[in-house]
Amino acid sequence: GAGVSQSPRYKVTKRGQDVTLRCDPISSHATLYWYQQALGQGPEFLTYFNYEAQPDKSGLPSDRFSAERPEGSISTLTIQRTEQRDSAMYRCASSQNSVTQYFGPGTRLLVL
Amino acid sequence: AQKVTQAQTEISVVEKEDVTLDCVYETRDTTYYLFWYKQPPSGELVFLIRRNSFDEQNEISGRYSWNFQKSTSSFNFTITASQVVDSAVYFCALSEEKGGGSEKLVFGKGTKLTVNP
Repeated sequence: GAGVSQSPRYKVTKRGQDVTLRCDPISSHATLYWYQQALGQGPEFLTYFNYEAQPDKSGLPSDRFSAERPEGSISTLTIQRTEQRDSAMYRCASSQNSVTQYFGPGTRLLVL
Repeated sequence: AQKVTQAQTEISVVEKEDVTLDCVYETRDTTYYLFWYKQPPSGELVFLIRRNSFDEQNEISGRYSWNFQKSTSSFNFTITASQVVDSAVYFCALSEEKGGGSEKLVFGKGTKLTVNP
């Protein structure tokens, strides 16, 4: 596609529910990144993919967080048993040359 | 460890004033990249510029200019003749160079710029 797209744009869920966020990167981009941005803060790295491979998931805050990119294009980020502290903007970015990252509009998650 | 510091949390100016946003970074790597992104009130994150550590030339793009100084580990951003549409949160970011590319971006906390008419 022309740009990175993310869905849903907004998600409200109750504590303890699982949520899955989706990212569709720019079509020619091999590398895909996930970030978490708390209110009033800069984005913080969660994980990234080169095609299907996930070389670094060091930023995932706990084992409740997981990400997939099974066919090397669309990616999902799943948060199991959500907690209120998971409320944040979740940003996806993609890169063609693994240098400049282009971001999608983000998914704002609110856990009640 | 890498770190980016944007000491100015909020700046407020009147339209047509010039404004400089400061960014200081820390890294042990000799090869790295620096970035500026803009987050307007609508919330998206827009790429503005990338610089690699070997290129200390200053850059100008319209009303925007960037001053990269390795000696002081700074990568400052100046908006000349600011406009209301420049109102946004601006983030400075750093990444290491690995294998011809880079991996995670490390962001500063951002500077919120408000340009008043």
